[in-house]
Amino acid sequence: NAGVTQTPKFRILKIGQSMTLQCTQDMNHNYMYWYRQDPGMGLKLIYYSVGAGITDKGEVPNGYNVSRSTTEDFPLRLELAAPSQTSVYFCASSYSAAGGEQYFGPGTRLTVT
Amino acid sequence: LAKTTQPISMDSYEGQEVNITCSHNNIATNDYITWYQQFPSQGPRFIIQGYKTKVTNEVASLFIPADRKSSTLSLPRVSLSDTAVYYCLVGDRGAAGNKLTFGGGTRVLVKP
Repeated sequence: NAGVTQTPKFRILKIGQSMTLQCTQDMNHNYMYWYRQDPGMGLKLIYYSVGAGITDKGEVPNGYNVSRSTTEDFPLRLELAAPSQTSVYFCASSYSAAGGEQYFGPGTRLTVT
Repeated sequence: LAKTTQPISMDSYEGQEVNITCSHNNIATNDYITWYQQFPSQGPRFIIQGYKTKVTNEVASLFIPADRKSSTLSLPRVSLSDTAVYYCLVGDRGAAGNKLTFGGGTRVLVKP
């Protein structure tokens, strides 16, 4: 099993550009999450999904959108990138809910200039 | 939502035992305590989870007193590779994503 994979690993965006961060898991987990981590800080939940077709906002959803058309994929869309979105983005999945063991991807380092 | 408080940082030496205490005074009856480890430039990794008393696995032990208002992660005989940030989370295992948050964590530095 590859676990949770994320692409790209690094990306530089100009202000106002858009992009999609990809996340795929091969563990057949129902629950998937997107977090952002700013330098020296903990993780903040952006969006999560409890199954295909179901998504909900986390702590910091503004400026982002998600979709969950399949169990495996949970892309995160950034519209009109802003410098405040410069961060490392982690995707995670879990078999049970968030309180159970979450498996994290390697992260995407995004810089908006 | 149970708030957790951890020390910001701790230093230790190779071969020593490291104990990190997390305070969670308003823990709810259904809440479990979970610890994650994060190395630089990597995603967090699950270490251990417990509800009460003591839980031990091949990596760590988790001690939870009877009142459950705190918990202690114990890392036996640490090595340089245990240098990482350790996060304590408290929440219902059945909780939706927005019911759990990662705090700032404890930065552990293991020195030779």
